[in-house]
Amino acid sequence: NAGVTQTPKFQVLKTGQSMTLQCAQDMNHEYMSWYRQDPGMGLRLIHYSVGAGITDQGEVPNGYNVSRSTTEDFPLRLLSAAPSQTSVYFCASSSQGGEKLFFGSGTQLSVL
Amino acid sequence: GENVEQHPSTLSVQEGDSAVIKCTYSDSASNYFPWYKQELGKRPQLIIDIRSNVGEKKDQRIAVTLNKTAKHFSLHITETQPEDSAVYFCAAMTGRRALTFGSGTRLQVQP
Repeated sequence: NAGVTQTPKFQVLKTGQSMTLQCAQDMNHEYMSWYRQDPGMGLRLIHYSVGAGITDQGEVPNGYNVSRSTTEDFPLRLLSAAPSQTSVYFCASSSQGGEKLFFGSGTQLSVL
Repeated sequence: GENVEQHPSTLSVQEGDSAVIKCTYSDSASNYFPWYKQELGKRPQLIIDIRSNVGEKKDQRIAVTLNKTAKHFSLHITETQPEDSAVYFCAAMTGRRALTFGSGTRLQVQP
């Protein structure tokens, strides 16, 4: 099992560009989530999903969209990148409704 | 929404000493409290968790205690070793299944 796979590992964007961060898991987990990690601020929840076709907002959803068409994939879309979205993004999945999260290795995003 | 505060932000101990990290939460409906360890440049990894119907849980050198009345929980690491050096995050989950993290504690164990 690969676990939780995030691509790309690094990305540089210009202000206003759009892109999609990919997240896939092969553990058949129903629950998936996206976090951003900024220095001194811990991990902040962007969006999460308790199953295919169901998504909900976390504490910092603005500027991000998600969809969950399959159990395996949970992509995060930046519609119009801003410098404030420079961060490390982690995807995580769980077989227990958000408990015992397994994290991916992260995507380091810089927006210039 | 839920708010989790974590103290201290940095903690330095001598090898073999104990380390204690404390967190408070705001939502009395929160019922699940995990702790994650993140080594430099790595992903967070779950080290221990506790549910609201349990007051204390131990796993070898680490333990977590929960005081529901005061809405605080703590991580205790005994006999610290250099490999315990990392950033530790507490978190709390409400019925919405959204996990809110504290801001982290950087633990440094001096050999």
